[in-house]
This record gives sequence, structure tokens and C-alpha cells, in this order.
Amino acid sequence: QVQLVESGGGVVQPGRSLRLSCAASGFTFSSYAMYWVRQAPGKGLEWVALISYDGSSKYYADSVKGRFTISRDNSKNTLYLQMNGLRADDTAVFYCARDPKPEYCSSASCYHFDYWGQGTLVTVSS
Amino acid sequence: EIVLTQSPATLSLSPGERATLSCRASQSVSSYLAWYQQKLGQAPRLLIYDASDRATGIPARFSGSGSGTDFTLTISSLEPEDSAVYYCQQRSNWPPKYTFGQGTKLEIK
Repeated sequence: QVQLVESGGGVVQPGRSLRLSCAASGFTFSSYAMYWVRQAPGKGLEWVALISYDGSSKYYADSVKGRFTISRDNSKNTLYLQMNGLRADDTAVFYCARDPKPEYCSSASCYHFDYWGQGTLVTVSS
Repeated sequence: EIVLTQSPATLSLSPGERATLSCRASQSVSSYLAWYQQKLGQAPRLLIYDASDRATGIPARFSGSGSGTDFTLTISSLEPEDSAVYYCQQRSNWPPKYTFGQGTKLEIK
């Protein structure tokens, strides 16, 4: 069965960096686009980033562009989110999620997220 | 940016009743709208995609409808375990931007 397990969250001071990981199993990781989605405490869901199945294309929400970098290592079945210049308003549970179809993302695909991990909490505080 | 507005914010119903949740987009999203269920302390779960297709393993009491700017999630006969927050979600045209509605909290009396 599909499993996504996030790790790497914790408490970090403003301006510092953190790297999140998402270990995937139960499917051919290298064939699927992947996402990061976050949820601030008591708030709704916010898409953060998308990476194509081969890592060649990456897209970001305006709120994190230039500070966060999504990447993947298909040999390790792992998705990453490098977060630099963290701010208090980045405090959230970060979820990794999978695209439903093993295909390249384009204007005609990659519309929603089928499987989600349980999330890892990032707290930005001095 | 396409804004999704969900209504009502909170819905309180009894087991066996029918729930109707609304999601309105600020501009047309065609049929590319998804619905998620999030129970307290859990990750979201995909319920409906492409406005009306049920995801794998989702009970038939959940159904979606709509196109363009107005969408509805219907739960035909509520069960106690349906207590959750429900979110709609869409993707803009290319380059992609994904947005969620603010959520509808469904309480089962």
C-alpha cells in the first residue's frame, strides 16, 4: 500500500534553515509527481511546491518562492523540502502528497493529490 | 488567482440526515475540482476528484457535482464518523497554482 512518511520537523529560530524529508513506499516513486502542502495551526491547507516525476520541473507558491527548494532522490524514494530564511508565519504541519497519475505534469494533468503523509510539524520561534 | 469560497462555515446535522456543502470559484475551473476530508489530528483524505469522481475506497454516500464555478459535495446519509472539516481544491492554469477553500466544519450531533 502507498505510504508517505515525513520527517525533519522541529523548532527552529527565525532566519534559520531546515530540511524536510518524505520517504515513499508501496508504489514506483520515480513515476509520480510529488507535492508539499502545509497547514498552519488551526488554519486551512496551503499548497507549497510541486516537483515532476524526474525532478526536471519545479513550481512554488509565491509565499515560499526564493526561500524553499523542492527536490527528490528517486534512487532513495525520497522527497525533500529545503527551507531557508524561515519566518514565524512558516509555522505549520507540512504534508507530502502524491499526484494520482504516473505522468509528466502539464496544463492537462496534475490537478489534485491522492495520497498524503501524516505530516511533520515545523515551529519557527525564537 | 482563483479564490474558492466554501459555505457554510459550520454545519451541524444528525446521523441519517443529508449534508450539502458548497464551493464557489471566483472564475471557472471547468470540472477540475477536488474535495478532501480532514478528521481531527489526521491528514486530509481525497474524497472526490474531477468534480464528481469518487476516489478509491470512498463510500457511495459521498457524491460530488457541479462545473464551472459552482460545486457541491453531498453526503446522502450521515454517519458519526463523517464528522470532519471538508475542503475543496482547484489548480489554476499553467504554471500551476493550487488553492483550497477555507473549509466547512461538519459536526454530527
